[in-house]
Amino acid sequence: QLQLQESGPGRVKPSETLSLTCTVSGDYISSSSCYWGWIRQPPGRGLEWIGSIYYTGTTHYNPSLKSRVSTSVDTSKNLFSLKLNSVTAADTAVYYCARHNTKWEVRAGFDIWGQGTVVTVSS
Amino acid sequence: QSALTQPASVSGSPGQSITISCTETSSDVGGHNYVSWYQQHPGKAPQLIIYDVINRPSGVSYRFSGSKSGNTASLTISGLQAEDEADYYCSSSTSSSTVIFGGGTKLTVL
Repeated sequence: QLQLQESGPGRVKPSETLSLTCTVSGDYISSSSCYWGWIRQPPGRGLEWIGSIYYTGTTHYNPSLKSRVSTSVDTSKNLFSLKLNSVTAADTAVYYCARHNTKWEVRAGFDIWGQGTVVTVSS
Repeated sequence: QSALTQPASVSGSPGQSITISCTETSSDVGGHNYVSWYQQHPGKAPQLIIYDVINRPSGVSYRFSGSKSGNTASLTISGLQAEDEADYYCSSSTSSSTVIFGGGTKLTVL
């Protein structure tokens, strides 16, 4: 059974870099042929897509965050990662990792989600 | 302001049917069948309930159905149950393959 688990610091200081990891179990990132994504949800607000990555390193990002976002894949550890730099209080949110449900297609929906991790930007 | 517009809230009584709309407000959105719907209960991760406009993932109740007409996708929940009370989000994609979510709809079961 495929499972995703986010991990990383729960608190980040303003202007610093937020770094999260999503560990995948139950399938191999490199053999699934699916994109893997990051989505966040500020307190009391809706979902916002951050970006998605294919195991080859091909990426797609939300234009509003593109200048601050980078993602990477480590197939040897079966995980993918998110970095968001120059964070502000507006980046406080629950961050989810998820799998796109159609092979090779970043436009596809997200069928498997991690439980989410709360990140607070505060000094 | 999302390029996908959803009503902020809808309500219905147990046993009734409700429909949540998701309207593409930008010409940059749509032109494909990658519309998805998610259900999210408080404090939980979203769950995919409809993908590719009309398809239900395995394990999702037949009471959930999706459709699309023109630039508006719809989620219909029939035989409303108390457990259906949740937030619902639609998602689609732009011509440059970026993912967008609607603002979300809060469903109240009266």
